[in-house]
Amino acid sequence: QKEVEQNSGPLSVPEGAIASLNCTYSDRVSQSFFWYRQYSGKSPELIMSIYSNGDKEDGRFTAQLNKASQYVSLLIRDSQPSDSATYLCAVKAMPGSQGNLIFGKGTKLSVKP
Amino acid sequence: ETGVTQSPTHLIKTRGQQVTLRCSSQSGHNTVSWYQQALGQGPQFIFQYYREEENGRGNFPPRFSGLQFPNYSSELNVNALELDDSALYLCASSLGGEAYSPLHFGNGTRLTVT
Repeated sequence: QKEVEQNSGPLSVPEGAIASLNCTYSDRVSQSFFWYRQYSGKSPELIMSIYSNGDKEDGRFTAQLNKASQYVSLLIRDSQPSDSATYLCAVKAMPGSQGNLIFGKGTKLSVKP
Repeated sequence: ETGVTQSPTHLIKTRGQQVTLRCSSQSGHNTVSWYQQALGQGPQFIFQYYREEENGRGNFPPRFSGLQFPNYSSELNVNALELDDSALYLCASSLGGEAYSPLHFGNGTRLTVT
């Protein structure tokens, strides 16, 4: 059974701090990794994708991937109250049209003003 | 460029009834995937359609079925509704054949089964 594990939280950080969200996955052949943000009652919104080992930065967000450790993380710098949401880690085993996303249960982030 | 649109946004049904949910894919996308998200859980893969053919299915019973039309829009049908079918149903489109096409979700349909 392919699994994606996340700490459910809630993770609480003060405004302006760095929020660190972590995710591990069980399927060693996984190819693509995604972070989605989901506000309460809304649908998931893609914020980052990463496919190669190392770091990928996009504005205040940095995704980190370590395939040897089967670990992917998301760092949010200068956290804002508007970043308060549930962050879903998703893993795809196969590129292209085949294969589906396996999601973790999500980590709830709360940024306190 | 229009995004993924789903209808209806909310739906209340009685146990044993049947329901049809609809999805229009993002312009240019030929692959549609459906997910079920129960409260407090991550989305669970139901199935995927590529060029009108089902080409992947998750661990859902046959009473969950679907269609994809020539314009790449899609339907999810659920028969003999059960209380546990109450969830947010998400449709996502992507470009099949492109190695790393990410999924973009619609706003979802909230289904309540009483």
